Amino acid sequence: KAGVTQTPRYLIKTRGQQVTLSCSPISGHRSVSWYQQTPGQGLQFLFEYFSETQRNKGNFPGRFSGRQFSNSRSEMNVSTLELGDSALYLCASSTSGTSGRVSTDTQYFGPGTRLTVL
Amino acid sequence: AQSVAQPEDQVNVAEGNPLTVKCTYSVSGNPYLFWYVQYPNRGLQFLLKYITGDNLVKGSYGFEAEFNKSQTSFHLKKPSALVSDSALYFCAVRDTGNTDKLIFGTGTRLQVFP
Repeated sequence: KAGVTQTPRYLIKTRGQQVTLSCSPISGHRSVSWYQQTPGQGLQFLFEYFSETQRNKGNFPGRFSGRQFSNSRSEMNVSTLELGDSALYLCASSTSGTSGRVSTDTQYFGPGTRLTVL
Repeated sequence: AQSVAQPEDQVNVAEGNPLTVKCTYSVSGNPYLFWYVQYPNRGLQFLLKYITGDNLVKGSYGFEAEFNKSQTSFHLKKPSALVSDSALYFCAVRDTGNTDKLIFGTGTRLQVFP
C-alpha cells in the first residue's frame, strides 16, 4: 500500500507570496493532519480534517488555511508569507473514526514539504 | 494544559548497550501515547503506541515503551542498540479529555557509537 505523499518536496518563495501544499493520504484513510516543524518551535499541530471538515485547529494565524477534498486529499495554503514560515510541513493520515470521537488510530506521516521563504 | 517533555536533547550509547529515551506527559484525561522516529530529511515513522491494556508496549525495530501512570512517563527502550538506531525520536500524546490534538515533545537525538 502506498504511503502518504506530499508535493512539492521543496519550495522557495519570497515574503508576501502565497503557497499551496498538497497531501495525498494512504488509500482508505479519511483523516489528514498538518504539522509545522522548525528547529526553534519543534513540531506544532496546524489542523486536522476528516471527511472534508476541519475537526481541529492549532494556534496559528488565519494566514494558514486548509481544505480536504472528497477523495481525502488535502491542501494547505499559507498567504502573505513571512520569513518565520520557513519550515518543514508534514502531513499525516489515519483511518480515524467518527467525527467527534477520540481517535486511537496511528497517524502515518509523509516525507514533508520543505518551504523556504526568502 | 497538556504537554509532553523530553528532558534530554541528546542520548549517547554504545552499540550493543541498552538504551532509554525519556518522556513524561501532562494531560487532563486518559493519555494516548506515541513514539515516532525521524531520520535525516525524512518524515516521521511510527514506532509504537499505548492506548490501554498492558503497560509494556512492543513496537517496530525491537523498541518497546513502558507506560507508568503514577510517574506520568512513557520511556522508550531497546535492549541492544544499533548504530542504525541513530536518529531523532519524538514522544507524542493525544489528550482524550481535552482538545484531542496530538502534541509532540521537543525530540531527543539518539547517537549510537560503534
